[in-house]
Amino acid sequence: QVQLVESGGGVVQPGRSLRLSCAASGFTFSIYAIHWVRQAPGKGLEWVAVISSDGGHAHYADSVKGRFTMSRDNSKNTVDLQMNSLRAEDTAVYYCGRLGYCSGGSCHYYGMDVWGQGTTVTVSS
Amino acid sequence: EIVVTQSPGTLSLSPGERATLSCRASQSVSNNRLAWYQQKPGQAPRLLIYGASSRATGVPDRFSGSGSGTDFTLTISRLEPEDSAVYYCQQYGYLYSFGQGTKLEIK
Repeated sequence: QVQLVESGGGVVQPGRSLRLSCAASGFTFSIYAIHWVRQAPGKGLEWVAVISSDGGHAHYADSVKGRFTMSRDNSKNTVDLQMNSLRAEDTAVYYCGRLGYCSGGSCHYYGMDVWGQGTTVTVSS
Repeated sequence: EIVVTQSPGTLSLSPGERATLSCRASQSVSNNRLAWYQQKPGQAPRLLIYGASSRATGVPDRFSGSGSGTDFTLTISRLEPEDSAVYYCQQYGYLYSFGQGTKLEIK
């Protein structure tokens, strides 16, 4: 079935790095943009980053720009989020999700219709 | 950056009543690219509405979306106990941003 599965979360000290992964299955991964969205404990959803279907473009929220980097490997159906210089305020559940695809020269946006189950990142000394 | 504001923060209604949730954007949302999500405790969000008014697959027709430009509404008619959740709107017309959420409680 169509699914996304995140991994790589854990407890890390402030200033250190962590790499999250998102593995896709059940759909044509290479035509979809993939997003990361996070949710701090007891808080709302915060959009973090997106990478284009071919991996050529990425955009980041101001709160993570310069510290987080997305990459993807369409041969393995995976997306990674490299998180450097982590701060306490990066503590959250991190979800990957798909929103929009481009095919045949046109793009289609249907909202974030597939989400992973989330992986927890805790930044603490 | 487009800032998205939801109201009210909390809504408490009885089964069978109608819920009206509001979402306002600081700038006009391109092509009405506005989505609504439902999130229950311990779960990932679930897409309800995209393109401001189109229901996602499998979403009951009790859920409907409307609006354009900067003002959007999610209406849930005939509330059921399982509708208790936090509801978020998201604009994806220019980059991406979520509202802060509306908590819907069913009495």
